[in-house]
Amino acid sequence: GAGVSQSPSNKVTEKGKDVELRCDPISGHTALYWYRQRLGQGLEFLIYFQGNSAPDKSGLPSDRFSAERTGESVSTLTIQRTQQEDSAVYLCASSLVGNEQFFGPGTRLTVL
Amino acid sequence: DAKTTQPNSMESNEEEPVHLPCNHSTISGTDYIHWYRQLPSQGPEYVIHGLTSNVNNRMASLAIAEDRKSSTLILHRATLRDAAVYYCILRDPMDSNYQLIWGAGTKLIIKP
Repeated sequence: GAGVSQSPSNKVTEKGKDVELRCDPISGHTALYWYRQRLGQGLEFLIYFQGNSAPDKSGLPSDRFSAERTGESVSTLTIQRTQQEDSAVYLCASSLVGNEQFFGPGTRLTVL
Repeated sequence: DAKTTQPNSMESNEEEPVHLPCNHSTISGTDYIHWYRQLPSQGPEYVIHGLTSNVNNRMASLAIAEDRKSSTLILHRATLRDAAVYYCILRDPMDSNYQLIWGAGTKLIIKP
């Protein structure tokens, strides 16, 4: 069965450009999370989607970050006017509500 | 969510048992103890979780202290494929977003 997939696997961009990261969750998983992981550090929560409820955006670090999810399927994380400090691995996870989270392989973002 | 404390790194020999400790002295009565691990260049994967009683699954065992202020993840026979960063995380199922608060984890090094 298919797990969580993310694309692209790697993204190199120039400072000031916008980037869009994609996450395809496991079919049937109503919960979807985005995390950021800087080199050598633990995961930092960004945003949480649950069904049709309003997303929990409490972890987004600035208004340059936004995310959308269509129903219970694909989600996109958008970073506008990227900065070098945005360089990190961006991880997506999905789950049934309250259950273990299944993670994708991540997108490694490098801002030059 | 309450905070957890883990050693930065541990070493073990292949084929030997590994005991990974985690302290969570401020755990609340409803917090579950979750363990995830992250292999190099991959997203995290669920290992095990428990509330009060010790738990076993095909990957590992979880031993929880009687006062629940600490726990130990036990890998019964470590292999080179178990080399990863292991995260101990507390989660309250009553939290509305089920987010996991991640620390830096323990980097487990397996020596052949």
